[in-house]
Amino acid sequence: RKEVEQDPGPFNVPEGATVAFNCTYSNSASQSFFWYRQDCRKEPKLLMSVYSSGNEDGRFTAQLNRASQYISLLIRDSKLSDSATYLCVVISNDYKLSFGAGTTVTVRA
Amino acid sequence: EPEVTQTPSHQVTQMGQEVILRCVPISNHLYFYWYRQILGQKVEFLVSFYNNEISEKSEIFDDQFSVERPDGSNFTLKIRSTKLEDSAMYFCASRGGQLLSGNTIYFGEGSWLTVV
Repeated sequence: RKEVEQDPGPFNVPEGATVAFNCTYSNSASQSFFWYRQDCRKEPKLLMSVYSSGNEDGRFTAQLNRASQYISLLIRDSKLSDSATYLCVVISNDYKLSFGAGTTVTVRA
Repeated sequence: EPEVTQTPSHQVTQMGQEVILRCVPISNHLYFYWYRQILGQKVEFLVSFYNNEISEKSEIFDDQFSVERPDGSNFTLKIRSTKLEDSAMYFCASRGGQLLSGNTIYFGEGSWLTVV
């Protein structure tokens, strides 16, 4: 089983729609979780950390489900500028970083 | 916002040549990484570096690759005898490692290597 798995998508949604996707991880001792956004041929940029209690940043909501070992990202009121690949990053208890392959989101006008 | 800087942004090299990719991590960070991303594929871990030595490396990071932190600020990736399949975007990253927000990893803008 891969350490971190993501639905590759693509998720094609109209502007204003809500889109959500998950990332599962295999190491139950993982301690830190992040969502990064990557535009084509650009570096990954931190979108948000994922806290145990769940957290929200504007239109973005991240949640952690430790029992089922997944994190989720929900984007409300999608904008054209949200089109990107969203990478899940998990850090294990021995500080090993694992990347998901990314979920592609395309928001259309 | 602090940033990781990388040079060159793009390099074209002939097969068999050596290349050195340079990175300046965020100044008070303790952990340094190199990743690569072949066009259209996922980000792949190459190597992590802490306390002036390699702490972990992937199967990709074979004898062709080496890293150095020669002067306390730069962090370099050397690729010897480049192959066509080394063509990729190479990202340097750093992480603080301190108690507060120490786990957030910051990426440089990448060095796009094309081997011809």
